[in-house]
Amino acid sequence: AQSVSQHNHHVILSEAASLELGCNYSYGGTVNLFWYVQYPGQHLQLLLKYFSGDPLVKGIKGFEAEFIKSKFSFNLRKPSVQWSDTAEYFCAVNGLYDYKLSFGAGTTVTVRA
Amino acid sequence: DAGVIQSPRHEVTEMGQEVTLRCKLISGHNSLFWYRQTMMRGLELLIYFNNNVPIDDSGMPEDRFSAKMPNASFSTLKIQPSEPRDSAVYFCASTEGHSDTGELFFGEGSRLTVL
Repeated sequence: AQSVSQHNHHVILSEAASLELGCNYSYGGTVNLFWYVQYPGQHLQLLLKYFSGDPLVKGIKGFEAEFIKSKFSFNLRKPSVQWSDTAEYFCAVNGLYDYKLSFGAGTTVTVRA
Repeated sequence: DAGVIQSPRHEVTEMGQEVTLRCKLISGHNSLFWYRQTMMRGLELLIYFNNNVPIDDSGMPEDRFSAKMPNASFSTLKIQPSEPRDSAVYFCASTEGHSDTGELFFGEGSRLTVL
């Protein structure tokens, strides 16, 4: 069975600081990888996704993620965060041709002005 | 285009009452997912429909939960009778195709509180 592990439960940082959120997955095959964001009181929105090709994926709002196959990791990064990046971030994975998307537990990011 | 629309946004009910949550898919989408989000268990997939047919309901907690898709654009999730442990945010998500690309479009959720 596939599983997703997010390393940090809650991250607090100041504006302009750099952000990196860890995500590791367990799956015995080719995977699709995603990061979703949930702003306070809102629905989940897709930040970025990886299907194949360049392992460095750029998403919306200045976020990027790197797929490292040998480490089963898909860490999310942003060089300089803003107060508006305060949200919960979810890593998700499914297998190729598999509809079932498994989510990590989420990481709450609080950015202090 | 309107996104996935869920109703009600908030529901407070008493234990034993029937609860019906509703979801309208994005036009053209034919796959539908119901997720439940709690602090303890995170996001859990309850049931998945494709072309109105339930494909996987293994995540439905127990017989008190049922989901239907009476037409291509609408789904309901019913809990009868409801219990306090059902309190959660219930999300509906849709996608086109068989969703093997995994990009789901989520509704804003229905926050259920069972007293």
